[in-house]
Amino acid sequence: KNEVEQSPQNLTAQEGEFITINCSYSVGISALHWLQQHPGGGIVSLFMLSSGKKKHGRLIATINIQEKHSSLHITASHPRDSAVYICAVLSGGSNYKLTFGKGTLLTVNP
Amino acid sequence: ETGVTQSPTHLIKTRGQQVTLRCSSQSGHNTVSWYQQALGQGPQFIFQYYREEENGRGNFPPRFSGLQFPNYSSELNVNALELDDSALYLCASSLGPQGPYNEQFFGPGTRLTVL
Repeated sequence: KNEVEQSPQNLTAQEGEFITINCSYSVGISALHWLQQHPGGGIVSLFMLSSGKKKHGRLIATINIQEKHSSLHITASHPRDSAVYICAVLSGGSNYKLTFGKGTLLTVNP
Repeated sequence: ETGVTQSPTHLIKTRGQQVTLRCSSQSGHNTVSWYQQALGQGPQFIFQYYREEENGRGNFPPRFSGLQFPNYSSELNVNALELDDSALYLCASSLGPQGPYNEQFFGPGTRLTVL
């Protein structure tokens, strides 16, 4: 079993829909990252959080440390949101270790 | 403010050769992390350098080595290339290795093909 599991693997939505991507992890962490990767490889950090909730524009990220679970929500989705969304957890104490999920491919159709 | 840059953009090598990939960190960042992303997979952590010292390493063999320079730029060296080393190599810089300083800023990547 992978240390970081994302669901779903693939998601297709219509423009305007509310989207949720889930991330579950099995190790103790100090922080969790949500990243966005467009075709061609470029990765952008969306959020880094260790508790509670963060919001940036139409994106919302939540984390429940007790349940070892995080969600990324996109409100009023748009075709430009189409990308791979990757969850990564930071663990290892003073010895850095960042473990990635396999990503969720989101396609938003007009 | 300059973002994270990587060179070269693309590279083709043959099995057994050696390769050096370069990364310039974002201004003010003292930490660089390297990742390997095979086609269709999530990134895998290779190692991290913090203030010129290795600060963590993933499950990669010793033929993957690195350096960080006083200006915090970094190199990834891979010896004895194998076909499975073909991947996108990403570097990311951050203000520090942990806590609120760990937000990662990624470079565009180097696409390595091993024939």
